[in-house]
Amino acid sequence: DTEVTQTPKHLVMGMTNKKSLKCEQHMGHRAMYWYKQKAKKPPELMFVYSYEKLSINESVPSRFSPECPNSSLLNLHLHALQPEDSALYLCASSLTTSGGLKQETQYFGPGTRLLVL
Amino acid sequence: AQKVTQAQTEISVVEKEDVTLDCVYETRDTTYYLFWYKQPPSGELVFLIRRNSFDEQNEISGRYSWNFQKSTSSFNFTITASQVVDSAVYFCALSEVGTGNQFYFGTGTSLTVIP
Repeated sequence: DTEVTQTPKHLVMGMTNKKSLKCEQHMGHRAMYWYKQKAKKPPELMFVYSYEKLSINESVPSRFSPECPNSSLLNLHLHALQPEDSALYLCASSLTTSGGLKQETQYFGPGTRLLVL
Repeated sequence: AQKVTQAQTEISVVEKEDVTLDCVYETRDTTYYLFWYKQPPSGELVFLIRRNSFDEQNEISGRYSWNFQKSTSSFNFTITASQVVDSAVYFCALSEVGTGNQFYFGTGTSLTVIP
């Protein structure tokens, strides 16, 4: 089973709202990722968690706040977003972030389509 | 500099035609991994294949085949007898050792298969 689930599928929020995106996997993976994808563009890495610790933050604005409560769950808390933050937010997981000379396949969820008004 | 180049932005083919999607990468590492993902209109990136730099064997999986050539830094993807369900955006990605499993994605090729 290579399933990563994400909720909600769609989200519309105002610029003053606070909302959260949720990602879950039960594959025993210890690395989880958040990506942002604008239309007709490739995914852009936002955050990487490895063994529940934040290992990479790609200079993401503080209005995006990730959280990894346990090895199966990854949240992205949203606050005071801007209309330009409207995008598809993808979560991914992999066995680890790397093991020696081996790079791991990332498995992606279906994404949350976010619209900020 | 772009590490992964997918020069074909959009391709249209008629159903049952063969189509090749090009991927050219750039790295100084001797150990690296290459990936192909499919992204249908629903949005999910579907993993298709992973290849490490030491394995230059071509791979065939049903109607899909991949041609890895280190000499030209290319990892091309061919769909034989295309079907409407193949319509999607296809991304090639590179992962270098020591980067925390970060992926460098190409800009993607949008494939439309016309019935």
